[in-house]
Amino acid sequence: QVQLQESGPGLVRPSETLSLTCSVSGDSITSYSWIRQPAGKGVEWKGLEWIGRIYGSGISNYNPSLKSRVTMSLDTSKTQFSLIMTSVTAADTAVYYCARDTIHYRTSSNWFDSWGQGTPVTVSS
Amino acid sequence: SYELTQPPSVSVSPGQTASITCSGNELGDKYVSWYQQKPGHSPVLVLYQNTRRPSGIPERFSGSNSGSTATLTISGTQAMDEADYYCQAWDDSVVFGGGTKLTVL
Repeated sequence: QVQLQESGPGLVRPSETLSLTCSVSGDSITSYSWIRQPAGKGVEWKGLEWIGRIYGSGISNYNPSLKSRVTMSLDTSKTQFSLIMTSVTAADTAVYYCARDTIHYRTSSNWFDSWGQGTPVTVSS
Repeated sequence: SYELTQPPSVSVSPGQTASITCSGNELGDKYVSWYQQKPGHSPVLVLYQNTRRPSGIPERFSGSNSGSTATLTISGTQAMDEADYYCQAWDDSVVFGGGTKLTVL
């Protein structure tokens, strides 16, 4: 059974770069995504936002709204993949999840069938 | 960009049927997944490809998708079903609905 574990710094200063890693066990990386959920006091909407996807080939796709600030990469062992987000602001404060992204190409559908526990990230000076 | 719209909240009495809708332009032409999230926990997939249940998901969870609306139906709702529910589809990008808080009164 696939297990995912996110890791990250917890706290990042505004305008700096956020770097997160997802470690995968029990599965070879075919396609995985990063998804985030706003967190913190005063946050009105705490829904899910897709950040991007990386394939086992190393090719990645990103949410158009974040594309200019986001890069995903896969390590050569294909047991870890990473997210880098530049120029962070308070709006990037969220719980960040990695999830296995199962894709059914014939129907152009996908679903997230395994999730990590999430890693909280706070952007603050 | 594509948008999915869900009602912010739905209430249901124990044992009754809960229906949570997800609306989007020509959504019936796409495939929808549904996720359950309880406080402090990661989301859990409860339906995919509109109607399919992953292993371990109770039969009381079912789904439909036609026209512009997909529906998650929970029959015989139990207290343990109280959670936030999110729909999700793939257009040019992956999109989630805003979420619906299901309260079992």
